[in-house]
Amino acid sequence: DVQLQESGPGLVKPSQSLSLTCTVTGYSITSDYAWNWIRQFPGNKLEWMGYISYSGSTSYNPSLKSRISITRDTSKNQFFLQLNSVTTEDTATYYCARGTSMDYWGQGTSVTVSS
Amino acid sequence: ENVLTQSPAIMSASLGEKVTMSCRASSSVNYMYWYQQKSDASPKLWIYYTSNLAPGVPARFSGSGSGNSYSLTISSMEGEDAATYYCQQFTSSPFTFGSGTKLEIK
Repeated sequence: DVQLQESGPGLVKPSQSLSLTCTVTGYSITSDYAWNWIRQFPGNKLEWMGYISYSGSTSYNPSLKSRISITRDTSKNQFFLQLNSVTTEDTATYYCARGTSMDYWGQGTSVTVSS
Repeated sequence: ENVLTQSPAIMSASLGEKVTMSCRASSSVNYMYWYQQKSDASPKLWIYYTSNLAPGVPARFSGSGSGNSYSLTISSMEGEDAATYYCQQFTSSPFTFGSGTKLEIK
């Protein structure tokens, strides 16, 4: 059974970097699919942030392009999100999900940006 | 970016009632996807490639549409269907979501 699990700090200070990990079990991230990061803001708006493909290529939302990086560790079957220079507007629940059809999601991790 | 507008934002339906919600894209898309989200849970893929039900989705749900206009229909509302439904496109990057239709029980 495919499972995704987000992890990372729940509180980040403004201007710092936000770093999250998505650990995938039950499927190899190098086999197929794009592996996405999505966030949901207070008020429930959903925003696709970007993905890393099974081959390692990346695609980012232009609204974040200067601040975002998605990388992976294939030996651990994990992929990562780094978002730089965060502000309070980056406060959200962050999800990882499989594929452009997003057929499997993690349970989400809440991140608050506050001093 | 391709803006998806969902309507209505909130609706209520009686048990057994037929429900239809809409998603309009600012630019034409090849397919529309729908997700169901209940409180304190992750979104779940509900309908893919416009009209295909994800595994486990009851047959009372259906999806249709083309071009800029898509819809999700429930033939007969049941209590477990109360949730927020989001449409999503990945025809063009950035992938975008609608703002959701919250479906409540009347």
